[in-house]
Amino acid sequence: NAGVIQTPRHKVTGKGQEATLWCEPISGHSAVFWYRQTIVQGLEFLTYFRNQAPIDDSGMPKERFSAQMPNQSHSTLKIQSTQPQDSAVYLCASSSRQGRTGQDTQYFGPGTRLLVL
Amino acid sequence: GDSVTQTEGPVTVSESESLIINCTYSATSIAYPNLFWYVRYPGEGLQLLLKVITAGQKGSSRGFEATYNKETTSFHLQKASVQESDSAVYYCALGDDQGGRALIFGTGTTVSVSP
Repeated sequence: NAGVIQTPRHKVTGKGQEATLWCEPISGHSAVFWYRQTIVQGLEFLTYFRNQAPIDDSGMPKERFSAQMPNQSHSTLKIQSTQPQDSAVYLCASSSRQGRTGQDTQYFGPGTRLLVL
Repeated sequence: GDSVTQTEGPVTVSESESLIINCTYSATSIAYPNLFWYVRYPGEGLQLLLKVITAGQKGSSRGFEATYNKETTSFHLQKASVQESDSAVYYCALGDDQGGRALIFGTGTTVSVSP
């Protein structure tokens, strides 16, 4: 099991450019989560999908950020017109339900470190 | 609102000493909180250390223990005798039992264990 795969591991963009981050969840997992980590804000939830359907995007900035999950094997997070304040580590996690109750355990990828100059 | 507060780091301890990282939570919108400790070792990704989904229960892994105390809304992480390999960043996290809710993380505690 390769775990959650995120690509690229590092990305440098110029202000105003677009950045697309990729996540491949663990095979068989039904939920995919996106988080963002910065020194100032810590680990913040962005959005999540279950069975490819968007469930909660309450953490997503309303402008410039979008996420998709076109199939069960990958999800993308797109940031249009990147700004320096978008610099962060973007983490993807996937999970599958353990039994009938209880929180799904989320397994995290290594993250994509985005730097906007 | 729902939140997690944990010991601010960095924390430095000597090998074989005991370690405790405090974690308290507020779960105003979560009927049945589930509690987690995640860890990030140097150069590695965030990984689950232990979880407890039932109040009053204790979780353990790699010599670490944490007890879910509903009365004090706490989930402190403890280890009786740390090793240099325990140097890492530790995160307390809060979820619910409905399945699939995003986790709410504490700010993380950096622990350095000196030989």
